[in-house]
Amino acid sequence: DIQMTQSPSSLSASVGDRVTITCRASPGISNYLAWYQQKPGKVPKLLIYAASTLQSGVPSRFSGSGSGTDFTLTISSLQPEDVATYYCQKYNSALGTFGQGTKVEIK
Amino acid sequence: EVQLVQSGAEVKKPGESLKISCKGSGYSFTSYWIGWVRQMPGKGLEWMGIIYPGDSDTRYSPSFQGQVTISADKSISTAFLQWSSLKASDTAMYYCARSLDYLDFWGQGTLVTVSS
Repeated sequence: DIQMTQSPSSLSASVGDRVTITCRASPGISNYLAWYQQKPGKVPKLLIYAASTLQSGVPSRFSGSGSGTDFTLTISSLQPEDVATYYCQKYNSALGTFGQGTKVEIK
Repeated sequence: EVQLVQSGAEVKKPGESLKISCKGSGYSFTSYWIGWVRQMPGKGLEWMGIIYPGDSDTRYSPSFQGQVTISADKSISTAFLQWSSLKASDTAMYYCARSLDYLDFWGQGTLVTVSS
């Protein structure tokens, strides 16, 4: 079974900082990876699919990269409204698996 | 506008049965998979399984196989998640979502509380 390992589990950064979250798949999954944002008490929201394609309406400060086993979600300039937990999800088979989540806070 | 509207919160006792629903609108309900996701209190997202309403083809995560049943009624554009005998550990928020393998539109969630 494919394992998805996200890191870090939490981070604290200042407004305007560049933030990077990583997700590792074992074994590799080509580019079958999505990223979601879940704000406190809210429904998860799709940010990125196919590892790097931005979902319509998502701010351009969010970007994704990677292929195979190592993937990255980057927030180029952290904003207060980005406080949330971020999850990766693999979908290279009929079964999906989420990473454990990364909680992002403002310092 | 794509919408998935889930049934309301439920409070049940251990051993009781339950069926929650997810009604799709604004798109061809029979042409997209619907997925179910569990979120236990204070925890992360867990992918439970998916169904293709067009032919009711269903896939389950090994963790949920045999624990829940996913079904759909295409005549009313609704997917269902059901339990035959609830446990306290089933207490969670359950989300449905339209699946293109990734989950692009989500329901508002159904909170299920199981307590004696």
